[in-house]
Amino acid sequence: DAGITQSPRHKVTETGTPVTLRCHQTENHRYMYWYRQDPGHGLRLIHYSYGVKDTDKGEVSDGYSVSRSKTEDFLLTLESATSSQTSVYFCAISEAQGAGEKLFFGSGTQLSVL
Amino acid sequence: AQSVTQPDIHITVSEGASLELRCNYSYGATPYLFWYVQSPGQGLQLLLKYFSGDTLVQGIKGFEAEFKRSQSSFNLRKPSVHWSDAAEYFCAVGGGRDDKIIFGKGTRLHILP
Repeated sequence: DAGITQSPRHKVTETGTPVTLRCHQTENHRYMYWYRQDPGHGLRLIHYSYGVKDTDKGEVSDGYSVSRSKTEDFLLTLESATSSQTSVYFCAISEAQGAGEKLFFGSGTQLSVL
Repeated sequence: AQSVTQPDIHITVSEGASLELRCNYSYGATPYLFWYVQSPGQGLQLLLKYFSGDTLVQGIKGFEAEFKRSQSSFNLRKPSVHWSDAAEYFCAVGGGRDDKIIFGKGTRLHILP
């Protein structure tokens, strides 16, 4: 299994509270991604990174920010959590850019915003 | 724009029976096509991938998929399912170098003993 650790695994928070999710990899892969998974929607890309300090938006980036100060860590921040951000969040990594690349996924973070 | 449709939200089959999960895609050029599997409480794992060559692709865990350009389909098959195959299956499509992978909404597979 690819060395991807997401923390926390579960979190319950209140509306308006800031939340940061962490993805840590030991594979030294350049590309990292944050997805959210919701029933009836499959996986949707929030943000991705193609190197240290290099990030870009995905299809559902509103309300989220990311940072990557080290190759191994990719942080997802909800500045002011809303109930619509209740979801399961997955981090993924890949060796190279391009839609043909295999993605390796973490085990997910279940976030509940009350 | 690229898109993926998985028409079946749930599929139930008996253990030992054959399986086919449907996937239709929309993409302007030759796409990369994927099937991923997600076991409960886990992340996704790649089953197989297609870009070019033989249109019948073999994957892990005894799965295969067939690319049919004329039907814009990439259906996943397994001749005999096991109880451990109960999971959610995602079809995905991607294109050129700068394209992202787009996932379908998933098909949840239930296995009857």
